[in-house]
Amino acid sequence: DAKTTQPPSMDCAEGRAANLPCNHSTISGNEYVYWYRQIHSQGPQYIIHGLKNNETNEMASLIITEDRKSSTLILPHATLRDTAVYYCIVSLMTTDSWGKFQFGAGTQVVVTP
Amino acid sequence: GAGVSQSPSNKVTEKGKDVELRCDPISGHTALYWYRQSLGQGLEFLIYFQGNSAPDKSGLPSDRFSAERTGGSVSTLTIQRTQQEDSAVYLCASSLGNRFGTEAFFGQGTRLTVV
Repeated sequence: DAKTTQPPSMDCAEGRAANLPCNHSTISGNEYVYWYRQIHSQGPQYIIHGLKNNETNEMASLIITEDRKSSTLILPHATLRDTAVYYCIVSLMTTDSWGKFQFGAGTQVVVTP
Repeated sequence: GAGVSQSPSNKVTEKGKDVELRCDPISGHTALYWYRQSLGQGLEFLIYFQGNSAPDKSGLPSDRFSAERTGGSVSTLTIQRTQQEDSAVYLCASSLGNRFGTEAFFGQGTRLTVV
């Protein structure tokens, strides 16, 4: 699986959009980009995933560059409950690789009032 | 149940003792994974079960660690002769492994402390 690079931390004001970058320059054509988050003392929570096209759900939006070497997770209106470590992961969709997510250090996001 | 259930939520054990950690995946999920997370660290993959296939044990750190999944559902992670470096949160996740676009659902974890 391709490795990802994320900033170690970032702050965001409550109510503002949080834009979390992720670099995955060695991503292969059939690898997906996944985002998870982990709120303190809880298990990781799935947020969103995508292959090429931008994706949006009730939690966030995922913007993937045309060359697929980087992506941005957007939390449109950050709340205090969004304070968490956010993990960007790239992985194949095949069942043999699905379970071996390589979680890096992630980005610690702190949302402030 | 509604989500992935792990038990116990906390376990304190003496060095050298064996421990068993249990995971009840979401009903119908064919894939099950174990991870561990040491204090302040990212998640470390341990083992992966998919249906009736042989499990992928490539992440197990030593032969003191083993896991089984009975009847394609409940899984037990066993750590023999525990060491202090085994102290961590052990997380279990499950997913519809053969479904396109699926995602993994994690349990709340078992916090293991070896004293």
